[in-house]
Amino acid sequence: QVQLQESGPGLVKPSQTLSLTCTVSGGSISSGDYYWSWIRQPPGKGLEWIGYIYYSGSTYYNPSLKSRVTISVDTSKNQFSLKLSSVTAADTAVYYCARGDTFDPWGQGTLVTVSS
Amino acid sequence: DIQMTQSPSSLSASVGDRVTITCRASQGIRNDLGWYQQKPGKAPKRLIYAASSLQSGVPSRFSGSGSGTEFTLTISSLQPEDFATYYCLQHNSYPVTFGGGTKVEIK
Repeated sequence: QVQLQESGPGLVKPSQTLSLTCTVSGGSISSGDYYWSWIRQPPGKGLEWIGYIYYSGSTYYNPSLKSRVTISVDTSKNQFSLKLSSVTAADTAVYYCARGDTFDPWGQGTLVTVSS
Repeated sequence: DIQMTQSPSSLSASVGDRVTITCRASQGIRNDLGWYQQKPGKAPKRLIYAASSLQSGVPSRFSGSGSGTEFTLTISSLQPEDFATYYCLQHNSYPVTFGGGTKVEIK
């Protein structure tokens, strides 16, 4: 079955850009059957959708983050990526990738801390 | 944005209890709603999709109902492994939005 795995730095300095990659196994992003999503969860808080991408490169972003977010896809590597610019401590969270616009399944998540 | 109001925010229950969690949407979302279970330190897991369809592999004690603006997740007989936080998600309108979560604790 499809599995997703997030990777990237666990510590980012304020004002810098957070970069994460999600590697998909057991299924092909290029199949065109699904969107591919990013969601985050600050420590002890609820879930926030960041955005998703289709294999063609079409993207949809949460308006609350849209000015700082870029999601891209590399079908040759079966990966999609998240970049969040100008980060602050408020961006400290566990970042999840997931399949589809209804999020099933999810990756295990990766904690990104914004701190100097 | 569509606001999803989930209630209660927490509850205490005993093994074997029937538990009901509600999500209310600020406008109609047809049946474009899912329910997710999250255990501490783990990623959420989808339990219910399309408001009332049980995800494959999920025990039948979980059920969902509702349409429009009012939705319910019911656990018919709470088991020890069900103690977790539950979230609803609407995907009818952009941006998709989650409810605030319901933490189910042991009484």
